[in-house]
Amino acid sequence: QVQLVESGGGVVQPGWSPRLSCAASGFIFSSYPMHWVRQAPGKGLEWVAVISYDGSNKYYADSVKGRFTISRDNSKNTLYLHMNSLRPEDTAMYYCARPTQIRKSVAGDGFAIWGQGTMVTVSS
Amino acid sequence: SYELTQPPSVSVSPGQTASVTCSGDKLGDKYASWYQQKPGQSPVLVIYQNSKRPSGIPERFSGSNSGNTATLTISGTQAMDEADYYCQAWDSTTALFGGGTKVTVL
Repeated sequence: QVQLVESGGGVVQPGWSPRLSCAASGFIFSSYPMHWVRQAPGKGLEWVAVISYDGSNKYYADSVKGRFTISRDNSKNTLYLHMNSLRPEDTAMYYCARPTQIRKSVAGDGFAIWGQGTMVTVSS
Repeated sequence: SYELTQPPSVSVSPGQTASVTCSGDKLGDKYASWYQQKPGQSPVLVIYQNSKRPSGIPERFSGSNSGNTATLTISGTQAMDEADYYCQAWDSTTALFGGGTKVTVL
């Protein structure tokens, strides 16, 4: 079945640079743009970043621009989020998400498939 | 910057209709999506492209979008519908979420 499984979270110190992974299965991963969305404890959803189906276009929320990098390996059906210069306010559950439809554009669609999330806690 | 505004909470009696609004400048010119999230679970898409329901979403969930307001309507609300609901839209290449609305079934 269609599935997204995140990994790589944990307790990290400010300034560390962990990498989150999202393993996709059950669909043609290389045909979809892919997203990261986060949720701080007790707070709402915040979109983080998107990467086009072929990795050629990437866009970020202002809150992470210049610190986080989204990437993908279509040969491994895996999405990544490289996190640099972490701050306490980056503490959140990080979800990867897939749009409803195959599309070349990164924007304009809802998020049909979500992973279970991986928790990142930034604390010294 | 573009913002989406939702009421923090909505209460509804079982079997009645719940309406959750999402406001944004000329939101009707964009596609709106809606997500349901229950405690400890990942969000679930319940409406996309303003009014389309994904496979498996009950017919009691419907959506509309016009002017500055998108609305999620839950008809014949059931106890299982108690959850947080988030609207979402795109501003160019940035995805935005509303702050969320807690729907309580009293």
